[in-house]
Amino acid sequence: GAVVSQHPSWVICKSGTSVKIECRSLDFQATTMFWYRQFPKQSLMLMATSNEGSKATYEQGVEKDKFLINHASLTLSTLTVTSAHPEDSSFYICSARDRAETYEQYFGPGTRLTVT
Amino acid sequence: RKEVEQDPGPFNVPEGATVAFNCTYSNSASQSFFWYRQDCRKEPKLLMSVYSSGNEDGRFTAQLNRASQYISLLIRDSKLSDSATYLCVVNHRQAGTALIFGKGTTLSVSS
Repeated sequence: GAVVSQHPSWVICKSGTSVKIECRSLDFQATTMFWYRQFPKQSLMLMATSNEGSKATYEQGVEKDKFLINHASLTLSTLTVTSAHPEDSSFYICSARDRAETYEQYFGPGTRLTVT
Repeated sequence: RKEVEQDPGPFNVPEGATVAFNCTYSNSASQSFFWYRQDCRKEPKLLMSVYSSGNEDGRFTAQLNRASQYISLLIRDSKLSDSATYLCVVNHRQAGTALIFGKGTTLSVSS
């Protein structure tokens, strides 16, 4: 149980375009989903916390107009990187918290974004 | 000062060795503690939670010292498949339900 999927697993796009990444909890309902970014040899950095049906809470330094998050249902959250630039190239990972548990989170397999 | 600090390594050990990783956290209000494992280009996977009394799961033993704000992970009888990056992770009320990750310690086990 507790499987989280992400789509796509990798994407290459041109500078200036937008990219949407989906995160789904497959066998549980997730009231809260988290979006992380990881640069090479760096730790996972939390970008935003997404609660179903409400606006996401962004971490300091993360532009909410650039990284659009939508959490329309208990099993789906999306992250859209708008007007992507090469410095946005990174590994984006989502996680979901099962409403029945405390702090344990289940991670998606990640999406590797390369902006050329 | 980073919230969660780890020695990045790498730790290079032969099969069968015992290896220990340490981690310190800065927020004394931290409530939950975990070790995650991350393989190259993959998502983190929960290895084990860490409890105040210390806990063991097979070859893995985790310890927590709240007074020193220190967490450790001991791996006995290392296997080749243990090669990965080990992430020290904490949570505290101010972070809500978000997890705070250390940079990770890289372990390489060789035959």
